[in-house]
Amino acid sequence: QVQLQESGPGLVKPSETLSLTCNVSGGYISGNYWTWIRQSPGKGLEWIGYVFYNGITNYNPSFKSRVTISVDTSKNEFSLKLSSVTAADTAVYYCARRQGNRWFDPWGQGTLVTVSS
Amino acid sequence: DIQMTQSPSSLSASVGDTVTITCRASQTINSYLHWYQQKPGKAPKILIYAASNLESGVPSRFSGTGSGSDFTLTISSLQPEDFATYYCQQSYDSPLTFGGGTKVEIQ
Repeated sequence: QVQLQESGPGLVKPSETLSLTCNVSGGYISGNYWTWIRQSPGKGLEWIGYVFYNGITNYNPSFKSRVTISVDTSKNEFSLKLSSVTAADTAVYYCARRQGNRWFDPWGQGTLVTVSS
Repeated sequence: DIQMTQSPSSLSASVGDTVTITCRASQTINSYLHWYQQKPGKAPKILIYAASNLESGVPSRFSGTGSGSDFTLTISSLQPEDFATYYCQQSYDSPLTFGGGTKVEIQ
């Protein structure tokens, strides 16, 4: 079965770029949509965006000017970059596969990213 | 953006109770509504997709109904492992949005 695992720095300084990678195991990244979602106490669950295996993306307008989601089929992984971060970007970041009519399953375990100097 | 409002935000119940959680969309979303369960320190897990379809492996005591803008998640005969937070999510329109969650606690 497909499993996802997030990786990346747990601490990012304000104004810098948050970078996370999600490794997909137990299945191929090709043929699917892959997504990033975050969860913070203040804003709950927020969909950030998704990428199709061919690189086509769809972003939440709330993040659109700061976000880039990309895919590397050779490594079976996809990535998130969020620029100009502030303390409001402190959250647990999840990667997930988008299914059918755009629900999410499975999810990675999540990784906490704290924005602080 | 489509706003998803869940009620109640929390509830207390006992093992064996039947629990109903409501999710209301700010506009019609047909049946593009999905339910997740989240336990502390874990990622959300899909329970119901497209309003009423039980995900494989999910116990049949979970059921979902509704269409348009009003939806319910019902847990019949609540079990100890069901104490968690439940979220709805719409996929009718981008951006995809989630409800604020309903925490089901032990009475």
